[in-house]
Amino acid sequence: NAGVTQTPKFQVLKTGQSMTLQCAQDMNHNSMYWYRQDPGMGLRLIYYSASEGTTDKGEVPNGYNVSRLNKREFSLRLESAAPSQTSVYFCASGVGQPQHFGDGTRLSIL
Amino acid sequence: AQSVTQPDIHITVSEGASLELRCNYSYGATPYLFWYVQSPGQGLQLLLKYFSGDTLVQGIKGFEAEFKRSQSSFTLRKPSVHWSDAAEYFCAVPGAYSSASKIIFGSGTRLSIRP
Repeated sequence: NAGVTQTPKFQVLKTGQSMTLQCAQDMNHNSMYWYRQDPGMGLRLIYYSASEGTTDKGEVPNGYNVSRLNKREFSLRLESAAPSQTSVYFCASGVGQPQHFGDGTRLSIL
Repeated sequence: AQSVTQPDIHITVSEGASLELRCNYSYGATPYLFWYVQSPGQGLQLLLKYFSGDTLVQGIKGFEAEFKRSQSSFTLRKPSVHWSDAAEYFCAVPGAYSSASKIIFGSGTRLSIRP
């Protein structure tokens, strides 16, 4: 099925470790997004990319970096994980606004 | 600043009954408005969106929403819910610079269906 694929689905890190969350979409969308979802807070935009080669900060970009590798792929990197980054991370793609979301990555930072 | 409020954290309705989910927004101009649904363990799916024109918007899965400028509201409705509609529903509005890309989500309303 066409859609947004995120890897990994689950990850546990120790404080200070780094990791990259991967996201790929096969719908030829220009725009891609990274969100985090925390209980009672809805989704908050971390970074988004309007097109290949461009990225822009969202509401909560501190502690994260992104790479729009090509039109299909948009990765999110935590350089030095902190317990406050424990969350569920969602990647999305769309035309004009996020339309399709991946199933999420559950990330725990100990 | 733009904001969106979903006043109901959790709603339970009986299967076959009608559904109404409330959303209120704060926005400086005529907004774009969105409703998303998140089934358990999955990502969000766009149900419908309002950009302009007719204030009654049809979406997927039998949902519709009504925009009322005078009340700053965007109410999601479904005439008859099915057990598969149990999910969390999020209303959203554009964030800074009226950008539909940088949308702001409400905190969500969890819908439970009573058999």
